[in-house]
Amino acid sequence: SYVLTQPPSVSVAPGQTVRITCGGNNIGSESVHWYQQKPGQAPVLVVYDDSDRPSGIPERFSGSNSGNTATLTISRVEAGDEADYYCQVWDSNSDHVIFGGGTKLTVL
Amino acid sequence: QVQLQESGPGLAKPSETLSLTCTVSGGSISSSYWSWIRQPPGKGLEWIGYINYSGNTNYNPSLKSRVTISVDTSKNQFSLKLSSVTAADTALYYCARSYSSAWSYWGKGTAVTVSS
Repeated sequence: SYVLTQPPSVSVAPGQTVRITCGGNNIGSESVHWYQQKPGQAPVLVVYDDSDRPSGIPERFSGSNSGNTATLTISRVEAGDEADYYCQVWDSNSDHVIFGGGTKLTVL
Repeated sequence: QVQLQESGPGLAKPSETLSLTCTVSGGSISSSYWSWIRQPPGKGLEWIGYINYSGNTNYNPSLKSRVTISVDTSKNQFSLKLSSVTAADTALYYCARSYSSAWSYWGKGTAVTVSS
């Protein structure tokens, strides 16, 4: 089955840029989506179809996807961005939904 | 604005069948795909399965033998049944609606504990 690999944690200082990766075999051929989940809350879609943002999501959130790695980039990081982030694909071979293990973002 | 609300017992006994319902408001259930996703305490997200507007389903292979997802268009609801539950099924259960191949609308989640 398809596996998505994320680093367990990343940290960044406020105002800096952070990149969260999501690795998968030829993930560049899939559409990748990213979710933000704050403690006690449901996940929120922040990037879909590799690089599109839902309405209401700041432009500071962007995404890219190529080869075996998809990346969520958060620019000008704020304290309120501290959360868990999950990548997700809909595996075209199996039609199954796959989530990465999640990355905990700490804002220093 | 589409809203989803999970409901069901918060406690289940081992070996029993867990039943949850997701009520959709602000939109018709007769379109899009609808999914159940769970999150064990302190862990990541796990997709359980989905049903589409035609009633077609697809399940996580690791749960497939125990899962049934169905839809009731007359009530604008879809449901999850998970049989033979164990403590490993203790989790926060979310329902969600698709947009493209992402899950754009989520319920707040309902906590289920499996314990005797």
